[in-house]
Amino acid sequence: SQTIHQWPATLVQPVGSPLSLECTVEGTSNPNLYWYRQAAGRGLQLLFYSVGIGQISSEVPQNLSASRPQDRQFILSSKKLLLSDSGFYLCAWGLRVGGYTFGSGTRLTVV
Amino acid sequence: AQKVTQAQTEISVVEKEDVTLDCVYETRDTTYYLFWYKQPPSGELVFLIRRNSFDEQNEISGRYSWNFQKSTSSFNFTITASQVVDSAVYFCALSERNNDMRFGAGTRLTVKP
Repeated sequence: SQTIHQWPATLVQPVGSPLSLECTVEGTSNPNLYWYRQAAGRGLQLLFYSVGIGQISSEVPQNLSASRPQDRQFILSSKKLLLSDSGFYLCAWGLRVGGYTFGSGTRLTVV
Repeated sequence: AQKVTQAQTEISVVEKEDVTLDCVYETRDTTYYLFWYKQPPSGELVFLIRRNSFDEQNEISGRYSWNFQKSTSSFNFTITASQVVDSAVYFCALSERNNDMRFGAGTRLTVKP
């Protein structure tokens, strides 16, 4: 069966520090992968999606970047975090027509 | 452009009451997919249901039911005899064939004992 792993669960980082969040999927090949952000009390915002290795599409220009070095690995990064980067980050995999499966999320607090 | 509106930001009910969460969508496609997800306090999104645009049959799953009406572009979700464990944020989402899933802002449901 397919599973999705996301870590860390919680992260507190100072402003200006780098960020790396990792997401891996098991049990499927060539999945579509997604990064969403949920600001406190807000809805879900699509940040990046990837349909294959090295293929990244960005939805919103921002301080973040994404990479897909392997088929089932999706990484969200930042060189210098801003206070506004705080939020709940969710990785997901799936197909547009079938729905997505989400990871357990990373709660990032930038201080 | 696709758009999902959940006008109810927060709803509070007492246990055993029925509650309906509204979802209105906009799309120009004739083929699209609608979803409901539940986000409990732990944060993980839990898939509840998927509906394609060609299937307007209402669905019931235990205490949950969904009313899909293309004429009003709505996909409402009803919980019958609500329980405290139903407390969560519920998201409605829309996916088109050539566009990724877009979520509504979510409705926070609080069920009080």
